[in-house]
Amino acid sequence: GAGVSQSPSNKVTEKGKDVELRCDPISGHTALYWYRQSLGQGLEFLIYFQGNSAPDKSGLPSDRFSAERTGGSVSTLTIQRTQQEDSAVYLCASSRDRGTAGNTIYFGEGSWLTVV
Amino acid sequence: GEDVEQSLFLSVREGDSSVINCTYTDSSSTYLYWYKQEPGAGLQLLTYIFSNMDMKQDQRLTVLLNKKDKHLSLRIADTQTGDSAIYFCAERSSSASKIIFGSGTRLSIRP
Repeated sequence: GAGVSQSPSNKVTEKGKDVELRCDPISGHTALYWYRQSLGQGLEFLIYFQGNSAPDKSGLPSDRFSAERTGGSVSTLTIQRTQQEDSAVYLCASSRDRGTAGNTIYFGEGSWLTVV
Repeated sequence: GEDVEQSLFLSVREGDSSVINCTYTDSSSTYLYWYKQEPGAGLQLLTYIFSNMDMKQDQRLTVLLNKKDKHLSLRIADTQTGDSAIYFCAERSSSASKIIFGSGTRLSIRP
């Protein structure tokens, strides 16, 4: 597609339920990132995928969070047993590769998650 | 670990210059970025600078990098109401794959 596509754009879920957020990166982009932006906060790095390499999961806040990327393209971020503090905008981004000069990272519009 | 810090708010008069400042801790940073987030929209890359440069200019935008002090700034000349947004500073180190963002500076324009 023309840009990074995320779904759902909005999700309201009950505390304790699991949620899945999907990201379709730009075609041909080998690098994919997930970030979280809480209200009034900066972007918190969650996880990074690059080609067939093992993902950098160093930003995942707890073992309730996991992500996978199938076929080197679409990625799913899963949050199990959601808590109210998980409420945030989850942003996905992609770039052509690991990031040499000018390899711009393109962001999706985000998935707004509200846990009630 | 890596850390990027920015002041949270900046208010300037329309037509004046805006200067948004950022400090970072990772001395191995290779690329430093400025992103803009308008209300209800995603992040857009404004500009980036490679660590062996100390200045980059692009139309109304001027980026200054002081690598010794690990200080980055974004100057917007002739600030307009359309410049109202949150501006994020970000850095990528040569050893890490992830890009670390600051908390963002909310720029507001007064008439």
